[in-house]
Amino acid sequence: DAGVIQSPRHEVTEMGQEVTLRCKPISGHDYLFWYRQTMMRGLELLIYFNNNVPIDDSGMPEDRFSAKMPNASFSTLKIQPSEPRDSAVYFCASSLGQAKPGLAGGTYNEQFFGPGTRLTVL
Amino acid sequence: GDSVTQMEGPVTLSEEAFLTINCTYTATGYPSLFWYVQYPGEGLQLLLKATKADDKGSNKGFEATYRKETTSFHLEKGSVQVSDSAVYFCALSDPRYGGATNKLIFGTGTLLAVQP
Repeated sequence: DAGVIQSPRHEVTEMGQEVTLRCKPISGHDYLFWYRQTMMRGLELLIYFNNNVPIDDSGMPEDRFSAKMPNASFSTLKIQPSEPRDSAVYFCASSLGQAKPGLAGGTYNEQFFGPGTRLTVL
Repeated sequence: GDSVTQMEGPVTLSEEAFLTINCTYTATGYPSLFWYVQYPGEGLQLLLKATKADDKGSNKGFEATYRKETTSFHLEKGSVQVSDSAVYFCALSDPRYGGATNKLIFGTGTLLAVQP
């Protein structure tokens, strides 16, 4: 398998422009995650989907950010309008199955990360 | 809320030195704990994990033991190599006893630089 694919790998844009980041999860995976990585805030979960349905978007910073997953093999993260403080590396990750924490030791399904998109907003 | 705290970097070591990267956590319930590694220009990869207290995760010479009494999951390696240079992230699963989630909470990451 090719792993999680993200495009573009680098994006430079001007403040106010719309930016769309794309992700193709590993085939068969039913969970998809969008993260943002910055020096100041580290790695933050923005939103995640299960079977194409958004489950938790509490990490989305504001209304300028939106994410969609129209089918099992494609997701987008859109920023409109973009601002310089949105400059970061954005990662997409996917996993298979539902984790089950528990007293005697839960199960966990590994998240596989894409290579990231480095976004620079001037 | 739930959180992960790991030591500040960068950590600079000579090849074959002993490595410890400290990680402590705050969580309710029974979280699973993880170390992820990020090599330059790449995404994160799972390095090792432990799903219950006293479990030891190990991979590629790295080890970490889930210590519930000290809420810690320190990463160790007996002899580091130049190829181990990367950023290391400690993480926990979002623990919801009786429920299930695939969410992860990450620490801020620790940069390790190994010199020949």
